[in-house]
Amino acid sequence: QQQVKQSPQSLIVQKGGISIINCAYENTAFDYFPWYQQFPGKGPALLIAIRPDVSEKKEGRFTISFNKSAKQFSLHIMDSQPGDSATYFCAASFLNSGYSTLTFGKGTMLLVSP
Amino acid sequence: NAGVMQNPRHLVRRRGQEARLRCSPMKGHSHVYWYRQLPEEGLKFMVYLQKENIIDESGMPKERFSAEFPKEGPSILRIQQVVRGDSAAYFCASSPNRPSRGEKLFFGSGTQLSVL
Repeated sequence: QQQVKQSPQSLIVQKGGISIINCAYENTAFDYFPWYQQFPGKGPALLIAIRPDVSEKKEGRFTISFNKSAKQFSLHIMDSQPGDSATYFCAASFLNSGYSTLTFGKGTMLLVSP
Repeated sequence: NAGVMQNPRHLVRRRGQEARLRCSPMKGHSHVYWYRQLPEEGLKFMVYLQKENIIDESGMPKERFSAEFPKEGPSILRIQQVVRGDSAAYFCASSPNRPSRGEKLFFGSGTQLSVL
């Protein structure tokens, strides 16, 4: 059972365009939703995260939109650059027995063409 | 300040051999997590350890897999009698505190295990 569904699997965007990656979750206990960025040969690195008490969070060119009722959240990359080409993972977690573990989506491979 | 160090970067084993993957967390971090990434799959949680203790191993296969994080030295993920299906990238992450809401995980670059 996949608890966090991510789409699309891959995405090609022209330089300067907007990249949009979507995720949907099933477990209503999730209360923390981070996005991780992974470059080839590297481990994932935290990019931006949101909690369900807000509908949007923006950090530079990266914005998370969160829809609690629909159990969906998305990552928007404005003015996409070739250096943004990477695999992006959404994730979710909730506190259980005093700690939390991350459940990841399958990832989206983003290619920003020059 | 070195990040999370994993070694080896690449490990090739024949079916039936043992694989030992090492992870040195960031300095000052006493919480370690192992995740497995299969081709075209997201990262799957395997185990969460604190120094000398296994806190949560709900994602670990019941057989052949074990993990430890001794008082001294790196965390070790051990896979006995490897099979082709064990071929994957294994990532270690660490954090300074117990992972509560919003605790940032720092990932290593992973070990790519290939089973022939």
